[in-house]
Amino acid sequence: DAGITQSPRHKVTETGTPVTLRCHQTENHRYMYWYRQDPGHGLRLIHYSYGVKDTDKGEVSDGYSVSRSKTEDFLLTLESATSSQTSVYFCAISVSSGNTIYFGEGSWLTVV
Amino acid sequence: QQQVKQSPQSLIVQKGGISIINCAYENTAFDYFPWYQQFPGKGPALLIAIRPDVSEKKEGRFTISFNKSAKQFSLHIMDSQPGDSATYFCAVSGGGADGLTFGKGTHLIIQP
Repeated sequence: DAGITQSPRHKVTETGTPVTLRCHQTENHRYMYWYRQDPGHGLRLIHYSYGVKDTDKGEVSDGYSVSRSKTEDFLLTLESATSSQTSVYFCAISVSSGNTIYFGEGSWLTVV
Repeated sequence: QQQVKQSPQSLIVQKGGISIINCAYENTAFDYFPWYQQFPGKGPALLIAIRPDVSEKKEGRFTISFNKSAKQFSLHIMDSQPGDSATYFCAVSGGGADGLTFGKGTHLIIQP
């Protein structure tokens, strides 16, 4: 158990609506990540954070924003959900850069 | 440009056999090479990892072979068991804050 809680675990939403996924960690790790997993694409980095209020874009950041106001929480927001954002979203944490990252259990998002 | 190429996409091995999954990378600055195992409905979990200062690392039935000159590394699962059936991902890191870059995954089935 990596001490990561993702919420919601499952969500169905309509195209054009805003959606926020929450990642909460109990490990007090500095680095947090949001990945999406899609068949044939593996795991792709959306955004990452290297400290409170310190965030940066990953490989597939278009249509997503993030915020980190506390060490333990990392929020991923889809401002206006599209069907292409139907995916499984994983939060991950790491104690240091360039080292092992630990994943949460995932959030299944369906945009209809 | 894909930073890490993983093959095969899927693999079927008989119980007791050896499963071999390969990954190739381009950037010689990468210095951390982990393998993750993922069961359906779960987040990926670290299986085994290697740094480029060694050519092989073994943990139980799992071995990473690393060829720095060829820029390749592979996962060997000895005496494969049905419980090893899962999706396996290789990953690379250059030590930056942006976490790991993953291969597209290999779906492994161990037949009884």
